[in-house]
Amino acid sequence: NAGVMQNPRHLVRRRGQEARLRCSPMKGHSHVYWYRQLPEEGLKFMVYLQKENIIDESGMPKERFSAEFPKEGPSILRIQQVVRGDSAAYFCASSRAGYIYEQYFGPGTRLTVT
Amino acid sequence: GQQVMQIPQYQHVQEGEDFTTYCNSSTTLSNIQWYKQRPGGHPVFLIQLVKSGEVKKQKRLTFQFGEAKKNSSLHITATQTTDVGTYFCAGQIADKLIFGTGTRLQVFP
Repeated sequence: NAGVMQNPRHLVRRRGQEARLRCSPMKGHSHVYWYRQLPEEGLKFMVYLQKENIIDESGMPKERFSAEFPKEGPSILRIQQVVRGDSAAYFCASSRAGYIYEQYFGPGTRLTVT
Repeated sequence: GQQVMQIPQYQHVQEGEDFTTYCNSSTTLSNIQWYKQRPGGHPVFLIQLVKSGEVKKQKRLTFQFGEAKKNSSLHITATQTTDVGTYFCAGQIADKLIFGTGTRLQVFP
């Protein structure tokens, strides 16, 4: 019974490059959430998606960041033209339905921008 | 904006001592969830409380939801080194789940 999968686990990008983070939810889960965590800090909500729909992107920066959850395949968080301040751990979580259900987190992608 | 605050931010205890973290919201919560994140790891769901005044126990952990559904607490009895990590509460407010700021627990043997 595979949990939430994220890849890559570690990603190094130079300033100006693109970062693409993938998340496969738990089997049977159709709701995906992305969070960002800086070292020694809490979880910052970024975006909530269902299959082919963005439900809430209120936590996502307006520029350079985008997310999708296609009908087939994993959810993708895309960061264009990365800057040093984008260095963080990005966690994906999934749930059966909305916020009334517990969220299962993936191992995270640690993004380092050099 | 809507916020869920946790206190304390840090807690260092000697193994065997008790530990409590408190979660407070200015807005009534539909439910509250608790998560634990080990150093270098990812958040792991612990429990969910839904009813006013609800108390749930998991071995040495006791979770409580306030009568007004605006606050919650997690109490650990006789801490062990395996309890080390950051404990987050997460409250559902309308259609959002707001994570608390977290309490980092360090246990000294």
